[in-house]
Amino acid sequence: GAVVSQHPSRVICKSGTSVKIECRSLDFQATTMFWYRQFPKQSLMLMATSNEGSKATYEQGVEKDKFLINHASLTLSTLTVTSAHPEDSSFYICSVLTRGDNQPQHFGDGTRLSIL
Amino acid sequence: DAKTTQPPSMDCAEGRAANLPCNHSTISGNEYVYWYRQIHSQGPQYIIHGLKNNETNEMASLIITEDRKSSTLILPHATLRDTAVYYCIVRNSGGSNYKLTFGKGTLLTVNP
Repeated sequence: GAVVSQHPSRVICKSGTSVKIECRSLDFQATTMFWYRQFPKQSLMLMATSNEGSKATYEQGVEKDKFLINHASLTLSTLTVTSAHPEDSSFYICSVLTRGDNQPQHFGDGTRLSIL
Repeated sequence: DAKTTQPPSMDCAEGRAANLPCNHSTISGNEYVYWYRQIHSQGPQYIIHGLKNNETNEMASLIITEDRKSSTLILPHATLRDTAVYYCIVRNSGGSNYKLTFGKGTLLTVNP
């Protein structure tokens, strides 16, 4: 069964709207989650690392004030795209790091964001 | 993390074994080899990982060369649903660096 639940699966909204995406770990407590973005015909690019109870760590070139991450509990991380514009249209995917060294990340099914 | 090199695309006949190669010649001693796949418009799916011994699970087998500079993912009996982009990723174990760096992967097309 699914390990990670991501919601919503698809969002279409007007330019200037803020959009929140949820990522839930279903089977275990996750102190670390990751947020990726994937543009058409490209590979996944890591945006940020979400740590429970502390500030997220953003990759170079990712605006922290535009992509707000909140990891308020051990099972939930949210990504808010603030004042979204058409260039923010993309496939956003979260992943959960399972406990223990060398353990794999498990990914959600992604959120298709389309800004008109 | 070490860089990996994969062929951009491969074809395989349904029911046959699919052998996907990956080169990771700069891999270091504490780095694991992970394989994921991504079916169109879905999140990546974990397949298998290993350090130096060959590994097998219900999805696939992972063969790592003795010098660890390359590996092969084997899908023993490919089906049409195995058509996906397959990513080979080398990742440091332990510590605080759990990030996965995705390359372009191999688009495997399973043909009927």
